[in-house]
Amino acid sequence: GQNIDQPTEMTATEGAIVQINCTYQTSGFNGLFWYQQHAGEAPTFLSYNVLDGLEEKGRFSSFLSRSKGYSYLLLKELQMKDSASYLCAVLDSNYQLIWGAGTKLIIKP
Amino acid sequence: SQTIHQWPATLVQPVGSPLSLECTVEGTSNPNLYWYRQAAGRGLQLLFYSVGIGQISSEVPQNLSASRPQDRQFILSSKKLLLSDSGFYLCAWSTSGSFHETQYFGPGTRLLVL
Repeated sequence: GQNIDQPTEMTATEGAIVQINCTYQTSGFNGLFWYQQHAGEAPTFLSYNVLDGLEEKGRFSSFLSRSKGYSYLLLKELQMKDSASYLCAVLDSNYQLIWGAGTKLIIKP
Repeated sequence: SQTIHQWPATLVQPVGSPLSLECTVEGTSNPNLYWYRQAAGRGLQLLFYSVGIGQISSEVPQNLSASRPQDRQFILSSKKLLLSDSGFYLCAWSTSGSFHETQYFGPGTRLLVL
């Protein structure tokens, strides 16, 4: 079967750095997405990785290792507004998006 | 710029009643359209997707159906709701021609079946 694993919940302090991991086992791979979802709202796109390495976009960076079936989302200089769920999703060989359950990130002052 | 609308925002319906949720996209032509359901604490479950008018692919057997009567309109329906149909329903669009493209979500409809 296809599986995306992320931690259920993480807590971090305002101003700090946090890394949210995602491991996947899918039938094929055509890219990995990270989305942010605030409570009660729709997911919003953060990043897309299809090649190995680190993609940086402001305070957020996303890393991919295809050989390890592993990605992480790195959030720097955390702000209270970063409190949200972070969803990892993999595009499989049939171009279907397989979604993780999301990681709820709690930011404390 | 592109925008995606969904309505209603929230809905409370009795078991056995019908359902119609609507999604429309502006600012793009021939988009790929998707219906997802998100249960509390769970990942997104793809229900239907469409690559064009009248073309619907179903991912999960259920008592729901979808239709695409116009290029930028996607409708999710049910003849008789079940308690298990409660959830957060999200419509999304992506650029046509490739499923590599990022999906962009509407604001969602929260459905409670009692």
